[in-house]
Amino acid sequence: GENVEQHPSTLSVQEGDSAVIKCTYSDSASNYFPWYKQELGKGPQLIIDIRSNVGEKKDQRIAVTLNKTAKHFSLHITETQPEDSAVYFCAGAGNYGGATNKLIFGTGTLLAVQP
Amino acid sequence: KAGVTQTPRYLIKTRGQQVTLSCSPISGHRSVSWYQQTPGQGLQFLFEYFSETQRNKGNFPGRFSGRQFSNSRSEMNVSTLELGDSALYLCASSLGLAGGGPEQFFGPGTRLTVL
Repeated sequence: GENVEQHPSTLSVQEGDSAVIKCTYSDSASNYFPWYKQELGKGPQLIIDIRSNVGEKKDQRIAVTLNKTAKHFSLHITETQPEDSAVYFCAGAGNYGGATNKLIFGTGTLLAVQP
Repeated sequence: KAGVTQTPRYLIKTRGQQVTLSCSPISGHRSVSWYQQTPGQGLQFLFEYFSETQRNKGNFPGRFSGRQFSNSRSEMNVSTLELGDSALYLCASSLGLAGGGPEQFFGPGTRLTVL
């Protein structure tokens, strides 16, 4: 069935260092992979996404890479800042019938950036 | 542009009662999806509505239902509440159109506590 695995579950880095979170998906039909940041008491916030016809996408300090053959995708945050501390979720979705299907989420990574 | 709004933000109910949660999507968005978030099960897809029709459904019992109105606002209902229904219920809004952006934007959620 559909499944998205996410690692690590917790990640602690020093301010200024890089952070990498990895996900693996099982459904070959998945073609859309968003990443969400969730702060305490808030809903998930979309921070970056990638579609299956693209291998890498960057937005300032954030980048996502996708390896379709291995069914892996990763989030890279460079020059981390204390405000990057949050729970990060990866997700996968199929695009059945031309419209976005349900998001299957990973289990989340608690990122702590130490000042 | 206003974001996704959910009401109420907090609810306390007792076992056996029923509850209705409301979601107003981003203006122009026609798809509303609902997710349940718990510490044990993470983020799980409940259902998606598009143009007043349920387009997709997750693996939840029939006690969980929803509907969408002509203005794209959506409600979800949980009947005969159980302790395990305590969770953060999140609503996500997207264009939902074939060929359109698949991005889903979340509201702040409704925190339901069942006693």
